[in-house]
Amino acid sequence: DVVLTQTPVSLLISLGGQASISCRSSQSLVHSNGNTYLHWYLQKPGQSPQLLIYQVSNRFSGIPDRFSGSGSGTDFTLKISRVEPEDLGVYYCLQRTHNPWTFGGGTKLELK
Amino acid sequence: QVQLQQSGAELAKPGTSVKLSCKASGYTFTSYYIYWVKQRPGQGLEWIGYIYPGNGGTYYSEKFKGKATFTADTSSSTAYMLLGSLTPEDSAYYFCARLGYWGQGVMVTVSS
Repeated sequence: DVVLTQTPVSLLISLGGQASISCRSSQSLVHSNGNTYLHWYLQKPGQSPQLLIYQVSNRFSGIPDRFSGSGSGTDFTLKISRVEPEDLGVYYCLQRTHNPWTFGGGTKLELK
Repeated sequence: QVQLQQSGAELAKPGTSVKLSCKASGYTFTSYYIYWVKQRPGQGLEWIGYIYPGNGGTYYSEKFKGKATFTADTSSSTAYMLLGSLTPEDSAYYFCARLGYWGQGVMVTVSS
């Protein structure tokens, strides 16, 4: 199975600051069709996860441009600029290039 | 708008089964995978598997083979997950999802 390693496990950020989360895969996430199915989710306390970024760098509908995704192959990054209180929660990466799909362990974003 | 409405909380005895439902609306049910995710309180997300309602095809993570069974009723746009031979380790929130959209989750508690 593909292992996704997220770092850091927790992140203390000041309001208005920038956060960066890494997701490293144990194997390439490039599908045979050329697409890379690496997505980012945010789970706010007491809520279902919500999709932020799909296929590495595409913002989902309604997601502000403060969120950006980048990377290729096995290394991916989610950046959050100008952090706001509504950004707090646990961030997960998900790969669905290979079966079984797998999640990263999560990164908890908290306010400093 | 796309919605996934899950059934209510379940309290079950060890050794029994529960069948969770996930009613989809706002899109063509047969055109998207529905996947299921487990989350124990305070823990990360664990991918169980998926069903493709278009043809009924399923895939299960190795850990959940024999534990979970997916079905879909295209006439009612509803996906189901049967969890069998329940143990206390099955106590968790269970989410159904398709790309971009998640159900609200359902808590399953296994206790004698």
